[in-house]
Amino acid sequence: EIVLTQSPGTLSLSPGERATLSCRASQSVSSTFLAWYQQKPGQAPRLLIYGAASRATGIPDRFSGSGSGTEFTLTISRLEPEDFAVYYCQQYGYLVWTFGQGTKVEIK
Amino acid sequence: EVHLLESGGGPVQPGGSLRLACTASGFTFRDYAMTWVRQAPGKGLHWVSTISGSGGSADYADSVKGRFTISRDNSRNTLYLQLNSPRGEDTAVYYCARPQLPHGYFESWGQGTLVTVSS
Repeated sequence: EIVLTQSPGTLSLSPGERATLSCRASQSVSSTFLAWYQQKPGQAPRLLIYGAASRATGIPDRFSGSGSGTEFTLTISRLEPEDFAVYYCQQYGYLVWTFGQGTKVEIK
Repeated sequence: EVHLLESGGGPVQPGGSLRLACTASGFTFRDYAMTWVRQAPGKGLHWVSTISGSGGSADYADSVKGRFTISRDNSRNTLYLQLNSPRGEDTAVYYCARPQLPHGYFESWGQGTLVTVSS
């Protein structure tokens, strides 16, 4: 099973700052099968990025994804107040899905 | 618009049983595989099980294999998860989600239903 490790665990930033979130896989993952989600308290996860770099419908262009192999990154170019949340990466392979443990982006 | 609505959560004793349901609308249900994902209180997301559109094949996380059973009724546009012999560590919000295959991402999620395993 591929293990996804996200870092940092918590990111303390101010609105307007840039956020860089990392997702490292225990073995190589095809970019096709790497996604990112945002989750706010009491809500279901929301798809942000699929295929490592494609924005989902309705996602603002301040969100971008990049990476390949075992290293993937979610970047929020300028944090808006509504972006403070928990973010998860997720991979799919051979009928098994795994999620990272999450990165909390909190207001500094 | 895709809409997924879970139901059936609640308290259950260890070793008991509980059946969760997810009613789908806004798409041709039988054409899509469906998945259960869970989230323990204050913890991260974990894949539980996925079933094919026809219901002919299913896969499970090792943590629930042999205890949980996923099924579907395409005539009722409903997905199920039967929880048998639940344990304390099965306490979680259970979400149903529609995977977009072959890429495997989840664009549509329900609002979740909370299962609490306690004596």
